[in-house]
Amino acid sequence: AQSVTQLGSHVSVSEGALVLLRCNYSSSVPPYLFWYVQYPNQGLQLLLKYTTGATLVKGINGFEAEFKKSETSFHLTKPSAHMSDAAEYFCAEPNTGNQFYFGTGTSLTVIP
Amino acid sequence: DTAVSQTPKYLVTQMGNDKSIKCEQNLGHDTMYWYKQDSKKFLKIMFSYNNKELIINETVPNRFSPKSPDKAHLNLHINSLELGDSAVYFCASSPQGGYTQYFGPGTRLTVL
Repeated sequence: AQSVTQLGSHVSVSEGALVLLRCNYSSSVPPYLFWYVQYPNQGLQLLLKYTTGATLVKGINGFEAEFKKSETSFHLTKPSAHMSDAAEYFCAEPNTGNQFYFGTGTSLTVIP
Repeated sequence: DTAVSQTPKYLVTQMGNDKSIKCEQNLGHDTMYWYKQDSKKFLKIMFSYNNKELIINETVPNRFSPKSPDKAHLNLHINSLELGDSAVYFCASSPQGGYTQYFGPGTRLTVL
């Protein structure tokens, strides 16, 4: 069955440190992949997406992700964490009906 | 200029009641969705709907029913509410042929 897996339900980084949030997919065909962010008590906001073309995708707020077919991964990174990055992050993949399968989420804490 | 809006933001009700959550999008999108987010932040698709097709996730009880008066609205009706229905419900929309989904702010439902 189609699914995405997020390793690490909680990640803590110091302010200014590298952020790395992991996502692996299971599709056997080239997938579309998304990262969404959810700030406390808010809805989901699109960070970035991979559809076709360039495997390194840049998103909002300095985030980027690289699609690696050989590793079936789509990890999210940011060179320098900011306090405002503290949130829940979700990796997602749509099925053929465009219904999203979400990962279980990663809660990012940024330590001052 | 909210793109996807939901009402109410909070809904507290007793077991056995029937309630509705409204969703409206002003993006001109063709497809709308309902997702449920449980207390562990896990997001799961409930329905997707456009003017041609309703796709219901097989795990959704038939107490839940989407109703679409027009393309811009997809309301969620819940009959005979149960304690396990307590969650945050998100509405989303996407354009025809597009995969990116735009989410509403969520409705927190509490069943007592």
